[in-house]
Amino acid sequence: QVQLVQSGAEVKKPGASVKVSCKASGYTFTGYYMHWVRQAPGQGLEWMGWINPDSGATNYAHKFQGRVTMTRDTSISTAYMELSRLTSDDTAVYYCARDPVVAGTTHYFDYWGQGTLVTVSS
Amino acid sequence: DIQMTQSPSSLSASVGDRVTITCRASQSINNYLNWYQQKPGKAPKLLIYAASSLQSGVPSRFSGSGSGTDFTLTIYSLQPEDFATYYCQQTYSTPFTFGPGTKVDIK
Repeated sequence: QVQLVQSGAEVKKPGASVKVSCKASGYTFTGYYMHWVRQAPGQGLEWMGWINPDSGATNYAHKFQGRVTMTRDTSISTAYMELSRLTSDDTAVYYCARDPVVAGTTHYFDYWGQGTLVTVSS
Repeated sequence: DIQMTQSPSSLSASVGDRVTITCRASQSINNYLNWYQQKPGKAPKLLIYAASSLQSGVPSRFSGSGSGTDFTLTIYSLQPEDFATYYCQQTYSTPFTFGPGTKVDIK
């Protein structure tokens, strides 16, 4: 069965960076895009970007450009999201989500990780 | 960026009710519209993709419709496990924006 298992909660100081991992199993990792979505406490969902695990190509939301880096390690079927220059506004649960994108069709997120809480506090 | 709005922002309903949630895009997004359900402390769950396609394993009481800028999620005969927050999402162009959510609670 498809599973996305994320790394554990993190506490960071303002100005630091955080790297969250998302280990995929139960499917061919390189066959599906991976997205990252975050949710601040009590707030809605915010899309951060995607990575094509096959090619490594990325597409970041312009809000995060220059601060976010999405990478992958195909040998261990794991995607990573690193966010730098953290502020308290980055306190949120970060999710990875699989996208079975097929050329010419729409994107949608059919499996999600369990979420990783990142707390930014001095 | 394409802005997504949802109405109502919250509603109270009873088991067995029919519930309708509306989502509107700031420009035409064809049928590139998805619906998710989220329960407290849990990751979102895909219900409907491409405006009207039911995700595998999702009960048939969930139905999506619409095209262009206006979309609807209907829950026929609300069940106890359906009390949750529902989000629409456009995937017509990046950034893939979500609506602000509609919280469905028990009357």
